[in-house]
Amino acid sequence: LAKTTQPISMDSYEGQEVNITCSHNNIATNDYITWYQQFPSQGPRFIIQGYKTKVTNEVASLFIPADRKSSTLSLPRVSLSDTAVYYCLVGVAPNNNAGNMLTFGGGTRLMVKP
Amino acid sequence: ETGVTQSPTHLIKTRGQQVTLRCSSQSGHNTVSWYQQALGQGPQFIFQYYREEENGRGNFPPRFSGLQFPNYSSELNVNALELDDSALYLCASSPWGGDFYEQYFGPGTRLTVT
Repeated sequence: LAKTTQPISMDSYEGQEVNITCSHNNIATNDYITWYQQFPSQGPRFIIQGYKTKVTNEVASLFIPADRKSSTLSLPRVSLSDTAVYYCLVGVAPNNNAGNMLTFGGGTRLMVKP
Repeated sequence: ETGVTQSPTHLIKTRGQQVTLRCSSQSGHNTVSWYQQALGQGPQFIFQYYREEENGRGNFPPRFSGLQFPNYSSELNVNALELDDSALYLCASSPWGGDFYEQYFGPGTRLTVT
């Protein structure tokens, strides 16, 4: 499985856009990039997944350059409730029961301040 | 739609004892995975159950075992508890053959071993 590297922590203020970058230099051709969010005392929650270019949903955007060796999770106009740990995962593909294990790293602790 | 539930919420055990944690999967999900999350770290995959059989295992010793029942609920059993077993234990469910990257986590059981 490809190893991921993310910043340990980030600070932001309400209303700002937050970009969290994840490095995955050894990503394989069939690997997808998935992001999870975890609030204190809760289980992780799926945010977004992508393979290349840009993916956007109601929560976030995911930017993946052509070489796919990194990806950036973008959270528009964060609020205090976005304070959480964000995990970047590589290797889990849709409809792939063989890759049925989620491998989490240490994640990025985002603190949103008023 | 009922989400993933886990019981108990908190548990305190003594080193050497045995513990059983329980998980009810989300409605319609037939696959259950268990994760261990130590304080300040990302979740680590323990094992997964599908059709009442273990379908993948992480780097955990045999004293970590599990069961899945016909209604897809699951148990995690840990024998001969060690101090390092103190952690948040997370259960996640997903539909087999579906979008496997999107696993649904429960709130977890906080186990403290003294």
